[in-house]
Amino acid sequence: GIQVEQSPPDLILQEGANSTLRCNFSDSVNNLQWFHQNPWGQLINLFYIPSGTKQNGRLSATTVATERYSLLYISSSQTTDSGVYFCAVEQDFGNEKLTFGTGTRLTIIP
Amino acid sequence: EAGVTQSPTHLIKTRGQQATLRCSPISGHTSVYWYQQALGLGLQFLLWYDEGEERNRGNFPPRFSGRQFPNYSSELNVNALELEDSALYLCASSLYRTKVAETQYFGPGTRLLVL
Repeated sequence: GIQVEQSPPDLILQEGANSTLRCNFSDSVNNLQWFHQNPWGQLINLFYIPSGTKQNGRLSATTVATERYSLLYISSSQTTDSGVYFCAVEQDFGNEKLTFGTGTRLTIIP
Repeated sequence: EAGVTQSPTHLIKTRGQQATLRCSPISGHTSVYWYQQALGLGLQFLLWYDEGEERNRGNFPPRFSGRQFPNYSSELNVNALELEDSALYLCASSLYRTKVAETQYFGPGTRLLVL
């Protein structure tokens, strides 16, 4: 099956810093989503981005499908950005399951 | 618009018992997905239901089963509970259209603890 790797596994930053999270996948995909898992466990949708670039406030994401990677940028980090960030991919139409990466744990220090 | 809802929020069972978890999708969504997040194992796909039928299944034993009702809500049943079934169970919903990938939206989860 498809492999999804995220880096770095852990990231500790001071408030106000910028960060880049990476997601590499081993095969072509037709869906890629970024999530933020809050301390209570809920997965919050950040982006649906199988290709191209999107921005939402301080967050933006870029997926280069031909090179099989996606990047999540967080600018001017706030303590509320802390948590685990997951990318997840869906490979085949008709096989509608998301395969998740191992996540990046982001800790923002005041 | 209400999001995906799940019940109960927490569930405590003992080994060998059965657990039933419930999920209500976003209005208008026909597909429901179940995922397991166990400590150290990451998020793993369990089941996908659409229009009342099981469409795909992850690498889990038959003890894990479920169903989807005519109103598109879903139940996940776990029989003969084992200690390693302790996990956060997440439900997601989406539209389903052939050859079109849709965003999956997740509920808050049910934390199952097996003692």
